[in-house]
Amino acid sequence: DTAVSQTPKYLVTQMGNDKSIKCEQNLGHDTMYWYKQDSKKFLKIMFSYNNKELIINETVPNRFSPKSPDKAHLNLHINSLELGDSAVYFCASSQEVRVNTEAFFGQGTRLTVV
Amino acid sequence: DAKTTQPNSMESNEEEPVHLPCNHSTISGTDYIHWYRQLPSQGPEYVIHGLTSNVNNRMASLAIAEDRKSSTLILHRATLRDAAVYYCILKNRDDKIIFGKGTRLHILP
Repeated sequence: DTAVSQTPKYLVTQMGNDKSIKCEQNLGHDTMYWYKQDSKKFLKIMFSYNNKELIINETVPNRFSPKSPDKAHLNLHINSLELGDSAVYFCASSQEVRVNTEAFFGQGTRLTVV
Repeated sequence: DAKTTQPNSMESNEEEPVHLPCNHSTISGTDYIHWYRQLPSQGPEYVIHGLTSNVNNRMASLAIAEDRKSSTLILHRATLRDAAVYYCILKNRDDKIIFGKGTRLHILP
């Protein structure tokens, strides 16, 4: 069983479209995250949710809207896609908001906006 | 944003030990030192973490300087599969994992 799974793995879409990336974790973790890795390979945190509540929002355009229907899922919806949104998006989860917990990452979703 | 400094890249021969250094001179007393790695085309993977004492697990060892301003990740016997980008991260109370540029480790057969 995959601990943190994301779908789809690849997503190619045109500018202006709206798309969603889904993330599910089966680890029973309370905290979930979205990270973006750009073409220069920098990994940046976008959002963090704890028990379905937003706790971190790192100055991400409001075209990006995370949605957490339950604590096992954190989906990322992106409106009006732009070329600069092309990147690999990683979902992650950790046990709780504690200093010494490890995070588990999904395999990533490669988004290409054309 | 990252509070750590690592070499951009390192090389090592297969089956030899690898010592990956990390400087974190501004570490606070409550910061844990975490290491993650990212294999090609995969998501980051937890390796090890520690606070003050050296730590060992099945993947690696973490040696922490007495003043905590630096640490070293030790891979005891590198394999080709260990070729990855290794990130040294200080993790604070608000649970935000901030990745720096990391060290790209090349393993030579």
